[in-house]
Amino acid sequence: KQEVTQIPAALSVPEGENLVLNCSFTDSAIYNLQWFRQDPGKGLTSLLLIQSSQREQTSGRLNASLDKSSGRSTLYIAASQPGDSATYLCAVLSGGYQKVTFGTGTKLQVIP
Amino acid sequence: SQTIHQWPATLVQPVGSPLSLECTVEGTSNPNLYWYRQAAGRGLQLLFYSVGIGQISSEVPQNLSASRPQDRQFILSSKKLLLSDSGFYLCAWRLAGKPDTQYFGPGTRLTVL
Repeated sequence: KQEVTQIPAALSVPEGENLVLNCSFTDSAIYNLQWFRQDPGKGLTSLLLIQSSQREQTSGRLNASLDKSSGRSTLYIAASQPGDSATYLCAVLSGGYQKVTFGTGTKLQVIP
Repeated sequence: SQTIHQWPATLVQPVGSPLSLECTVEGTSNPNLYWYRQAAGRGLQLLFYSVGIGQISSEVPQNLSASRPQDRQFILSSKKLLLSDSGFYLCAWRLAGKPDTQYFGPGTRLTVL
């Protein structure tokens, strides 16, 4: 059974700092890994998708890496802003393209 | 472009009452559809997924059921709600047969009293 863990559970940083969020998964037989952002009371917004054959993806100030063999992914946020405050979730797709397993999330607060 | 709708946005129901949440997707055909629940202080739990009309797979035994009467319509139901059914319910879709991006609806906040 796939299990996904995110560390830390919560993070508070001053504006402008670079930061790293971690995601680990137990079964390396995945098709892809996706990072999402969730604002309070809202649905999930996709940030980055990394296919199993890829090592990283970049979008603006965000960079996600994937090390499938070790079961790890990181989300790097450069020059953090107060608008980045949200909960960040990682999710892995496995089991014949059907099963998506989510991590428990990292709640990020960027202090102005 | 594709869009996903969920309604209602919020719902307050008494224990023992029935439930029907609806999700529809526009702009694509034969998507994989998913229902998730996010309980307070907990992660996202996959409840059901569907790869086609009438095809439902359940991930967690519970008080809920799902149906897919049309290609782009996914319904979550219960005959009798429990207090533990409270939570934030999210519908999602993804292109079938591809390890592609999953897209989420805006969610339904359900409170069972």
